[in-house]
Amino acid sequence: ETGVTQSPTHLIKTRGQQVTLRCSSQSGHNTVSWYQQALGQGPQFIFQYYREEENGRGNFPPRFSGLQFPNYSSELNVNALELDDSALYLCASSLDQGANQPQHFGDGTRLSIL
Amino acid sequence: AQSVTQPDIHITVSEGASLELRCNYSYGATPYLFWYVQSPGQGLQLLLKYFSGDTLVQGIKGFEAEFKRSQSSFNLRKPSVHWSDAAEYFCAVGDPYNNNDMRFGAGTRLTVKP
Repeated sequence: ETGVTQSPTHLIKTRGQQVTLRCSSQSGHNTVSWYQQALGQGPQFIFQYYREEENGRGNFPPRFSGLQFPNYSSELNVNALELDDSALYLCASSLDQGANQPQHFGDGTRLSIL
Repeated sequence: AQSVTQPDIHITVSEGASLELRCNYSYGATPYLFWYVQSPGQGLQLLLKYFSGDTLVQGIKGFEAEFKRSQSSFNLRKPSVHWSDAAEYFCAVGDPYNNNDMRFGAGTRLTVKP
């Protein structure tokens, strides 16, 4: 089975720009969660999508938005980029929603803001 | 809301020595508990999980963890560390009453000496 894949691997942007990150979920998984991992920190929950609907959101501003498609792949969009947005962005898929669901992570997208 | 603390930022052990990584959580009931491992440049991989029942759980790669309700702890152990175990380890807690609320600790970096 194909695991979680994220693209691109690395990205460099400047302040004020917009970025779109992509994630293909593992086969059979209908739930995708996005995390921001700053250097030296644990992942911070951004939001989750379940069957194409947002299913919860962490403490991130509205300029962080997302989508989930009928094939359960997902996008993370960030507008008006700030220097503090520099981080590793991780996508994780799970078989179903629920905090007891083990999450399967992609290798992440490293976003650098200049 | 629940929180999770990993008191040790960095631990160094010799190859073949035993390992214990600490994790403490704060939550009103028993949360769902997970340990993940992250190798450099990669996403997180699930080592093991605890939901209920036997408080000693076995995971992949020879790891085990013990849930101690009285201490609000879920420490990860391995009897004999291999050089390939060098990585970052994250403890995570899920809220049984909030499907998408997953909190990660800040991580413990493990260095293995030859």
